[in-house]
Amino acid sequence: EDKVVQSPLSLVVHEGDTVTLNCSYEVTNFRSLLWYKQEKKAPTFLFMLTSSGIEKKSGRLSSILDKKELSSILNITATQTGDSAIYLCAVGEEYGNKLVFGAGTILRVKS
Amino acid sequence: EPEVTQTPSHQVTQMGQEVILRCVPISNHLYFYWYRQILGQKVEFLVSFYNNEISEKSEIFDDQFSVERPDGSNFTLKIRSTKLEDSAMYFCASSRTGNNQPQHFGDGTRLSIL
Repeated sequence: EDKVVQSPLSLVVHEGDTVTLNCSYEVTNFRSLLWYKQEKKAPTFLFMLTSSGIEKKSGRLSSILDKKELSSILNITATQTGDSAIYLCAVGEEYGNKLVFGAGTILRVKS
Repeated sequence: EPEVTQTPSHQVTQMGQEVILRCVPISNHLYFYWYRQILGQKVEFLVSFYNNEISEKSEIFDDQFSVERPDGSNFTLKIRSTKLEDSAMYFCASSRTGNNQPQHFGDGTRLSIL
């Protein structure tokens, strides 16, 4: 059965800190790994990663995939209170369109 | 920026009743999805829909569930005879193409079964 595991489950940091969130997966036919940010409602798309070792960056957020280690990290530098959210990792398969989600990491940034 | 819209935001229904959850996917997207998230649990895939037919469904998507694209813009999820365990947040998502494009999610419908 496909599995996506995120760590840590929750994290409290102070504004300005840098955080690293982890996602590991066991999927039969891996195609892509996606990161989403979930505040009150919709998961909002952040990154989609398909190739190992290529960093994707958007402002203070960056992510990289390691297909050998079957994992990905999401980095947030100079955190702000607005970064407080649940960060979801999801994996897509080669054959099919469904996403398999991890349980998420709850990030709280204190001012 | 175009977004997926869902209605209603909250639906309260008696057990055994039928509910229809509505979604308007992003206009140039061709693939549509339903996911659900039971309180405190992971987001779970229910069904994907392409070219007016179901392309994939999970074990959760049994005979009490159905999906439809009744016109050019709406995408609906019907639950025929609701059970208490159907209480969850239901998310609609869409993507421009299949698994090589990200899925974009709506704000969800919170379904409460009494």
